[in-house]
Amino acid sequence: QKEVEQNSGPLSVPEGAIASLNCTYSDRGSQSFFWYRQYSGKSPELIMSIYSNGDKEDGRFTAQLNKASQYVSLLIRDSQPSDSATYLCAVNSAGNMLTFGGGTRLMVKP
Amino acid sequence: GAVVSQHPSRVICKSGTSVKIECRSLDFQATTMFWYRQFPKQSLMLMATSNEGSKATYEQGVEKDKFLINHASLTLSTLTVTSAHPEDSSFYICSAMTGDQPQHFGDGTRLSIL
Repeated sequence: QKEVEQNSGPLSVPEGAIASLNCTYSDRGSQSFFWYRQYSGKSPELIMSIYSNGDKEDGRFTAQLNKASQYVSLLIRDSQPSDSATYLCAVNSAGNMLTFGGGTRLMVKP
Repeated sequence: GAVVSQHPSRVICKSGTSVKIECRSLDFQATTMFWYRQFPKQSLMLMATSNEGSKATYEQGVEKDKFLINHASLTLSTLTVTSAHPEDSSFYICSAMTGDQPQHFGDGTRLSIL
């Protein structure tokens, strides 16, 4: 069974710090990796996608992918209280279906 | 771009009622739409995958006769929860995608069955 694992948290960081969110996956054949942000009571919102090994930066967000280690991470620089949410790691498996991790709850304290 | 509209956002109804939820891709043609369910403090659970003009593929444990999915066009998919009961109360979320692009989610429908 294809699995995507995340630490459920909560991960608490002070405002302005770097938040580091981690995700591991079991399917070595996975090709596409996504990070979604979900505020409480809302639906997920795509914030980053990454397809090849290395880093991808978009504003305050950096996604990192290491296929050999089956590991993908999300760094949030200069964390803001508005970044407080649950972050879902999603991995593209067969047929364009996404397998989601359980999510990591991030709390950014002012 | 990539806007997905879901309606209604909130439904409260009596047990035994059938509820229809619509999912529309507003600015792109969705080759595939997905329906998820999320219970409180849990992650998204895929219910079914829907391709335009063909029958939906349901995940194991999801009753296809209870959760009817129709994907009549490249911009519209509907989920009908038939004869809903309190245990069907949940947050239902659709997503849509085209080609190899990421899935984009609708705003979700919070269903409460009394």
